[in-house]
Amino acid sequence: ELKVEQNPLFLSMQEGKNYTIYCNYSTTSDRLYWYRQDPGKSLESLFVLLSNGAVKQEGRLMASLDTKARLSTLHITAAVHDLSATYFCAVDMVDSSYKLIFGSGTRLLVRP
Amino acid sequence: EAGVVQSPRYKIIEKKQPVAFWCNPISGHNTLYWYLQNLGQGPELLIRYENEEAVDDSQLPKDRFSAERLKGVDSTLKIQPAELGDSAVYLCASSLDRTDTQYFGPGTRLTVL
Repeated sequence: ELKVEQNPLFLSMQEGKNYTIYCNYSTTSDRLYWYRQDPGKSLESLFVLLSNGAVKQEGRLMASLDTKARLSTLHITAAVHDLSATYFCAVDMVDSSYKLIFGSGTRLLVRP
Repeated sequence: EAGVVQSPRYKIIEKKQPVAFWCNPISGHNTLYWYLQNLGQGPELLIRYENEEAVDDSQLPKDRFSAERLKGVDSTLKIQPAELGDSAVYLCASSLDRTDTQYFGPGTRLTVL
């Protein structure tokens, strides 16, 4: 059974600082998603990573995928308050189910 | 382009009552998903439709939950009877096909008293 673990589960950081969120998964997969969720809102797709070594960047966020280590990272550069949200990684099952398994989420709070 | 539409946004009912949620996916999206999201957790898949066919309902508690997607467009998820433990957010998502990115609706927050 595929398991997805994120850490940290909660992150409080100051504006301007850098930090990385980690997403580990337990079985082979080559498709990983990062989503953002604001309180009371739905999930917004941020990145889709489709192959080993894939790196994608959007503004202050950069995501990478290492399929051999079964690890994805979401790096935050020079954080700003608007980045405060919960970030989820989700991994695709490689079998025919095409089921997304989500991590528990990392709640990010960026303080002034 | 309109996103995934869900209604109602909030629902409060007493236990043992029935409840239904409605979802209209993004136009042209063949695959539709219903997820359950408990507080502080990631979404968990309940059922996936390819057009009007339910192709994965292994996580749907079939004794009280049912879903349908007539005509392969919008969908309804029903709970009858609701239990206290059903309090959660019910999310609908859609994608062009099963391999494409899933786009989520705003969800229905259900409270069972």
